[in-house]
Amino acid sequence: GENVEQHPSTLSVQEGDSAVIKCTYSDSASNYFPWYKQELGKRPQLIIDIRSNVGEKKDQRIAVTLNKTAKHFSLHITETQPEDSAVYFCAVYQGNLIFGKGTKLSVKP
Amino acid sequence: DAGVIQSPRHEVTEMGQEVTLRCKPISGHDYLFWYRQTMMRGLELLIYFNNNVPIDDSGMPEDRFSAKMPNASFSTLKIQPSEPRDSAVYFCASSFLPGAGGTDTQYFGPGTRLTVL
Repeated sequence: GENVEQHPSTLSVQEGDSAVIKCTYSDSASNYFPWYKQELGKRPQLIIDIRSNVGEKKDQRIAVTLNKTAKHFSLHITETQPEDSAVYFCAVYQGNLIFGKGTKLSVKP
Repeated sequence: DAGVIQSPRHEVTEMGQEVTLRCKPISGHDYLFWYRQTMMRGLELLIYFNNNVPIDDSGMPEDRFSAKMPNASFSTLKIQPSEPRDSAVYFCASSFLPGAGGTDTQYFGPGTRLTVL
């Protein structure tokens, strides 16, 4: 079955810096890669996704890149703000969504 | 649309009691998912339904767990008997065909925080 590994598990940055979270997957047939943000005590919410026919997608300060050959994809957050502090989950679709273990991002003012 | 609705939001029960969690998916979505989230194990898929039919229940931890979807607008997850290790946040989510492109975003409900004493 699909195996999704997410790194790092925790990430602390200064406000204004960039943050990068990386996920690797094992099944080359996977074709849909969403990222979810979960604030403390709240539900996971989709923030951006990418499909296998695209190498990069950007939405304001958030971008996702996909390398299908290497089977990894990354979330990039630029100009981080304290409200970006949350747990971020990557996921891979292979029959159903398989989630990474999450990255706790802390943005220090 | 009100989004995915779950009830109760919090449940505290004693070991051995039956617990029933409820979910109303977004109208029109034909996929419904039940997840469990703990610090140790992260977000785990328990079971999912397509058009009210269970498709994959391989994530259900044991026979004490059961799920039903009697119609397109309602699903239940039941634990009987409950044990302290079942304490977790249980999320319900719904979507159109996952991964198909377009509007297949999976929307999560607010979750039910279950504590089994």
